[in-house]
Amino acid sequence: RKEVEQDPGPFNVPEGATVAFNCTYSNSASQSFFWYRQDCRKEPKLLMSVYSSGNEDGRFTAQLNRASQYISLLIRDSKLSDSATYLCVVTPSGLRGYSSASKIIFGSGTRLSIRP
Amino acid sequence: DAGVIQSPRHEVTEMGQEVTLRCKPISGHDYLFWYRQTMMRGLELLIYFNNNVPIDDSGMPEDRFSAKMPNASFSTLKIQPSEPRDSAVYFCASSPLKDGYTFGSGTRLTVV
Repeated sequence: RKEVEQDPGPFNVPEGATVAFNCTYSNSASQSFFWYRQDCRKEPKLLMSVYSSGNEDGRFTAQLNRASQYISLLIRDSKLSDSATYLCVVTPSGLRGYSSASKIIFGSGTRLSIRP
Repeated sequence: DAGVIQSPRHEVTEMGQEVTLRCKPISGHDYLFWYRQTMMRGLELLIYFNNNVPIDDSGMPEDRFSAKMPNASFSTLKIQPSEPRDSAVYFCASSPLKDGYTFGSGTRLTVV
């Protein structure tokens, strides 16, 4: 089983729809979680951190479920510009220090395509 | 801030040649990471530095790969000799002690 798994998609949804995808992780000691966005032929960019209590940034909501070991990303009122690949990141250490940076794991990404 | 700067943006080279990729991290970031991205393997961490010191190079594929960080504002990743299977996008990223990474635009390497 992969340490971090994402549904590769593609998710193809109409503009204005709500879409959600998950990322599961196998290491229960994982402590830090992020969502990154990567446009075609571009570098990954931090979208948002994922906190235990869940967090929201405009149309985006990220949640963490430690019991089931997954994080989720919800996009409401999707826009054409949301089309991209979304990568989850799982790290074993807290935000302070990268003593185990070699264990920072990027998921393989979920492709999202928003159609007009 | 100009962000993480990588050069060159594209590199096409012949098998057997030496390739040097360059990275300038964001000023003040203590950590610098080199990643490789391919369709088959996704993003792979090759090596990372903390305060210019290599901390973990376990992701470096083999002895053909080497990385240096002579000072806080510059790092190189060298492949010698290059092989076609090294073709990928190589990203440099830097990070402060907390928060996520900031990636450079990447170097798209093609070895023919």
